Amino acid sequence: ETGVTQTPRHLVMGMTNKKSLKCEQHLGHNAMYWYKQSAKKPLELMFVYNFKEQTENNSVPSRFSPECPNSSHLFLHLHTLQPEDSALYLCASSPDRGQGTGELFFGEGSRLTVL
Amino acid sequence: DQQVKQNSPSLSVQEGRISILNCDYTNSMFDYFLWYKKYPAEGPTFLISISSIKDKNEDGRFTVFLNKSAKHLSLHIVPSQPGDSAVYFCAALTNAGKSTFGDGTTLTVKP
Repeated sequence: ETGVTQTPRHLVMGMTNKKSLKCEQHLGHNAMYWYKQSAKKPLELMFVYNFKEQTENNSVPSRFSPECPNSSHLFLHLHTLQPEDSALYLCASSPDRGQGTGELFFGEGSRLTVL
Repeated sequence: DQQVKQNSPSLSVQEGRISILNCDYTNSMFDYFLWYKKYPAEGPTFLISISSIKDKNEDGRFTVFLNKSAKHLSLHIVPSQPGDSAVYFCAALTNAGKSTFGDGTTLTVKP
């Protein structure tokens, strides 16, 4: 089992669809993150959960809705997205937000295309 | 305002030579710096880090140098190998644990 697993790896959706991205970590970490990577842009932090509580929302539009039912699972619910939302969405985890070295453990990403 | 910048989008190096990847930052509150490596179709993986109280950290072929006065850090890879070809991201952390990433530099090591 890899440390951080994301599904699906690829997703194509229309602007009126509702879909979800899933992330699962098997590392016993307490902090989980969603990042967005668009072409030729730095990784952008979207959301942070620490001990299942959302601690950061980086001004993300409401068409992205995160859910963290427990410390091992993180979802990103997608609704009425725009073509410019097409990007690689990366999930990451760390032992605890603000503690230790801050090293993040990333999943392989979900490549999203919005038509 | 981008707080972490990697001004070289790409770098090409001959196998066996040194690769030097650079990163500049503007926020003096950053106190920890990390380098990540990313292969295509994979997530970034942690490579090496340095605390702001140090100016050098070495791990095998990888050395990170930090110049706090210049707000500059660099990653040296020597000797470079074809398997090092990847995108390298620099990241800076505040003491609250918030990571800010650079744009990335694509390194190509030619055999």
